[in-house]
Amino acid sequence: NAGVTQTPKFQVLKTGQSMTLQCAQDMNHNSMYWYRQDPGMGLRLIYYSASEGTTDKGEVPNGYNVSRLNKREFSLRLESAAPSQTSVYFCASSGQIEQYFGPGTRLTVT
Amino acid sequence: DQQVKQNSPSLSVQEGRISILNCDYTNSMFDYFLWYKKYPAEGPTFLISISSIKDKNEDGRFTVFLNKSAKHLSLHIVPSQPGDSAVYFCAARAVFSGGYNKLIFGAGTRLAVHP
Repeated sequence: NAGVTQTPKFQVLKTGQSMTLQCAQDMNHNSMYWYRQDPGMGLRLIYYSASEGTTDKGEVPNGYNVSRLNKREFSLRLESAAPSQTSVYFCASSGQIEQYFGPGTRLTVT
Repeated sequence: DQQVKQNSPSLSVQEGRISILNCDYTNSMFDYFLWYKKYPAEGPTFLISISSIKDKNEDGRFTVFLNKSAKHLSLHIVPSQPGDSAVYFCAARAVFSGGYNKLIFGAGTRLAVHP
């Protein structure tokens, strides 16, 4: 039982490159989330998926797209990376009350 | 505007003493409040929660207090241990039709417990 897994753990991109962050959960949760964490700003919601087949924008969606591939997997795509997207990205899935987080992806855009 | 605020970016406490972390919120519609603990290079881990209809919840060394009239909650850690040194995030939960929920996080408080 791995909980929430994320790949990759680290990534360095050049401005304009694209990449996809992968997330999977094995807890049979319906809802999944993508957050970014920047110094002094806590975690901010990028996109969420209330259930398989649905996705919605969160607080900071610009520059990102998501895909809810199936109940387990929820990916985040950066089509044209910008230095402002340098951050730590966390995926989460939702239990009864709390959300469970993955270990994070540290992304640097140069 | 920030709906959840943690006004103290850092806190230093001696081992064995009480740590008190504070959090303020603005929206009365939140149904749960949660505390998460985060170590460097790891994801946040859930610590304790409290329903908006309660004023106290206790789990071992951790107690959360909720003051609804003041829109304030606090996390007490007694006794504090060096392993408690981490960043603590306060979060408030909003539930939407369809049964999904969103968490709104504060900026975090870095707790350092020293011998």
